[in-house]
Amino acid sequence: QKEVEQNSGPLSVPEGAIASLNCTYSDRGSQSFFWYRQYSGKSPELIMFIYSNGDKEDGRFTAQLNKASQYVSLLIRDSQPSDSATYLCAVNGDQGAQKLVFGQGTRLTINP
Amino acid sequence: DVKVTQSSRYLVKRTGEKVFLECVQDMDHENMFWYRQDPGLGLRLIYFSYDVKMKEKGDIPEGYSVSREKKERFSLILESASTNQTSMYLCASTPGGLETQYFGPGTRLLVL
Repeated sequence: QKEVEQNSGPLSVPEGAIASLNCTYSDRGSQSFFWYRQYSGKSPELIMFIYSNGDKEDGRFTAQLNKASQYVSLLIRDSQPSDSATYLCAVNGDQGAQKLVFGQGTRLTINP
Repeated sequence: DVKVTQSSRYLVKRTGEKVFLECVQDMDHENMFWYRQDPGLGLRLIYFSYDVKMKEKGDIPEGYSVSREKKERFSLILESASTNQTSMYLCASTPGGLETQYFGPGTRLLVL
C-alpha cells in the first residue's frame, strides 16, 4: 500500500514568518509530487509541482524534493493570513500511472 | 483554464435512494476520478477512468458505480444511498502521464 504521510497539525505561524510543511512517501518509484491548497469547504487547488531533486521556487512558495530520503516539503515565505488553509501533499506513482496518492493534509494557520 | 464542473454543490437524499453525481470537464482530458473526502480520512479514491467506457476501482468502490459514456462526462452512482455515504464528493481530471489533477468544486452530499 503506497502511503503519503503529513503532520496533520494544526501548524500555527506568525504573519510574515516562514511556514514549513513536510511530507514523506513510501513508494521509491514515485516520480512527480504536488502540493495543493484547500480552503475550508472548497476543493483542492494546485500550488506547485516538482519532478526533480532540489528546490523549485514560485513566488513566495518553494518546493523541495529529496528522493533519496523520500521527502518533499513546501516553504511559504512572508506568510499571510490568506495562506491559512489545509495543504495536501500528493504523489504520482510509476510512470504511466495516473493515480495520485494524497496525504491527509496539514492545517496551517497564519496569525496576524 | 481547465474547467471541471459538478452537477450540484449540495444534495440531500434519503436512505435507499439512487443518487447520481455528474462531473464534466472541458479540456479533453483522458483521465477522470471520483474521490470522497471525510474529516480525518483525507481524500480517498472511489473509481477512476482512463478512457470512454473504461473504469477502474479505486480504494473504496463498495456501494458505488460509475459511468463514462462520453469523454467529457464521468458519473458516480450510489445505487442505494446509506448514511455512511454522507460526505464531500470531488471529481478530478488529468490529461495523463505525470500531470496534476484538476478538481471540480465538490458536491456535499447528506444522506438522511
